[in-house]
Amino acid sequence: SQQGEEDPQALSIQEGENATMNCSYKTSINNLQWYRQNSGRGLVHLILIRSNEREKHSGRLRVTLDTSKKSSSLLITASRAADTASYFCATALYGNKLVFGAGTILRVKS
Amino acid sequence: KAGVTQTPRYLIKTRGQQVTLSCSPISGHRSVSWYQQTPGQGLQFLFEYFSETQRNKGNFPGRFSGRQFSNSRSEMNVSTLELGDSALYLCASSLGEAVNNEQFFGPGTRLTVL
Repeated sequence: SQQGEEDPQALSIQEGENATMNCSYKTSINNLQWYRQNSGRGLVHLILIRSNEREKHSGRLRVTLDTSKKSSSLLITASRAADTASYFCATALYGNKLVFGAGTILRVKS
Repeated sequence: KAGVTQTPRYLIKTRGQQVTLSCSPISGHRSVSWYQQTPGQGLQFLFEYFSETQRNKGNFPGRFSGRQFSNSRSEMNVSTLELGDSALYLCASSLGEAVNNEQFFGPGTRLTVL
């Protein structure tokens, strides 16, 4: 099974609402990264949070990391139709491997 | 700065053939990573090159190989293609090692094996 697993697999919300996606992982990590992918195209890096950090913000994005629970969450506030995409967490394992989860498909309806 | 470019964008091959995909990283980036994306397996790490040396390799058979040139451009090769190799192949570059740095992805090469 994958190191990082996102939850939910799919999420459908109305424009203006907040969207929360979760990522759980199994082993100790160096850092965790979130990426967005639009319609099978290349991925775009959103945020990198290190294992000694608990929360990071970037614009409308807020990422938290709980290493004791081996989980992270990505919150998108005031969502827009343009946020419709797949969101992936990637865990950076000690030993220099970056492992992606299966992703959450977010659909924002206008 | 120009982004990560991948060529070709689309490719159709038949079983048993081999294929070479190319990736040009962002200028100044020394790390290039390759990923395979399929609906069934998701995004899987193939390998990472840093300053012409393979730093890491995923769990793929030896039919998958790669290299990096002195200008940081990278190629990956798949020999003896199988139907299951049909996928989107993504290349990403970063200033330093991929695990500790933001990766910039190219648009991908869509490979179809018939």
